[in-house]
Amino acid sequence: NAGVMQNPRHLVRRRGQEARLRCSPMKGHSHVYWYRQLPEEGLKFMVYLQKENIIDESGMPKERFSAEFPKEGPSILRIQQVVRGDSAAYFCASSPPSRTQSTEAFFGQGTRLTVV
Amino acid sequence: TQLLEQSPQFLSIQEGENLTVYCNSSSVFSSLQWYRQEPGEGPVLLVTVVTGGEVKKLKRLTFQFGDARKDSSLHITAAQPGDTGLYLCAGGSRPRPGSARQLTFGSGTQLTVLP
Repeated sequence: NAGVMQNPRHLVRRRGQEARLRCSPMKGHSHVYWYRQLPEEGLKFMVYLQKENIIDESGMPKERFSAEFPKEGPSILRIQQVVRGDSAAYFCASSPPSRTQSTEAFFGQGTRLTVV
Repeated sequence: TQLLEQSPQFLSIQEGENLTVYCNSSSVFSSLQWYRQEPGEGPVLLVTVVTGGEVKKLKRLTFQFGDARKDSSLHITAAQPGDTGLYLCAGGSRPRPGSARQLTFGSGTQLTVLP
């Protein structure tokens, strides 16, 4: 059973370009979370999606950032007109549909975005 | 806004020593997870605790969830260089009845175990 797959692992973009980060959740998982991590810092929540729905985007910057999780295919985090401050590691996590109390999530290896 | 504070932020110890890392909040969580992250990799789930007062052991690691489900600790016995990494706690909750589940992460404890 493959884990959470993110690609690319490393992405370099010039200021003003668009960045697209992909996340394929674990098999059977229908919930996807995106987090951003700056060097030597913890994880900051960005957005929580279920198939075809954005459940919580309270951590997403209001401009330039968007996320989707279509019925078919991976979840996409899109950053338009990137700036140097967008340079960070972006992690995706997935969790199964569950009615239990647990909210454990499993992470991909991340995409390291560098804006030059 | 729910916050999780981890302490210490940095910890450097000698191989063989014991250590405890703390994760505290003023909020109640329905579950709490501990993750370990190594440089260049994603966080790896170590354990989930869901019951107040629960204690789980994973080899030399002991995890405890506070009775009030607001705090947790991770104790490592006889630390080894392979334990080096960033330890993150994450609290799970539903901010409002019927709302989506959320994971709130602490800022992490960077542990270095010197040989």
